[in-house]
Amino acid sequence: KQEVTQIPAALSVPEGENLVLNCSFTDSAIYNLQWFRQDPGKGLTSLLLIQSSQREQTSGRLNASLDKSSGRSTLYIAASQPGDSATYLCAVLPGNTPLVFGKGTRLSVIA
Amino acid sequence: ETGVTQSPTHLIKTRGQQVTLRCSSQSGHNTVSWYQQALGQGPQFIFQYYREEENGRGNFPPRFSGLQFPNYSSELNVNALELDDSALYLCASSMPGLAGEVQQYFGPGTRLTVT
Repeated sequence: KQEVTQIPAALSVPEGENLVLNCSFTDSAIYNLQWFRQDPGKGLTSLLLIQSSQREQTSGRLNASLDKSSGRSTLYIAASQPGDSATYLCAVLPGNTPLVFGKGTRLSVIA
Repeated sequence: ETGVTQSPTHLIKTRGQQVTLRCSSQSGHNTVSWYQQALGQGPQFIFQYYREEENGRGNFPPRFSGLQFPNYSSELNVNALELDDSALYLCASSMPGLAGEVQQYFGPGTRLTVT
């Protein structure tokens, strides 16, 4: 059974810092991995999708990497801003079932 | 192109009642998935509909049921509500394609509170 773990559960950083969020999954047989942002009480916004054949994806200040063989992904946020404060969720697509999510990392960026 | 919409935004029900949540998929998407997200947890897959047929189900009891209509909009019905059903219910739509490229687009969710 696929399980996704995100570390840390919560993170507080001063504005301007670069930071890394971690995601690990137990079964390397995935089609893709997605990173989502969720503001309190709101739906999910897709940030980056990495296909299983890819190693990384970049969008603006965000960079996500994927090491399928070791079951790990990282989300790198450069020059963090207070507007980046949210919960970040990692999810994998195992194939014949929809997304399997981690519990998320709650990020606070302090001005 | 319109995004995924859900109604209502918030709902309060009493234990034992029944509830219907609605979702309109993104234009051109024929697959809808429903997820339940309890406070502080990641979303958990409930079921998926593809072209009006159930196409996969998570570990939820039969009192969770759904429908998909010819225009690909969808409903989630929950009977005999329990306190633990209190959660954010998320709908996501997608188009079939190469598995690695399939991306689900999420709606804003419906917050259900059962008292």
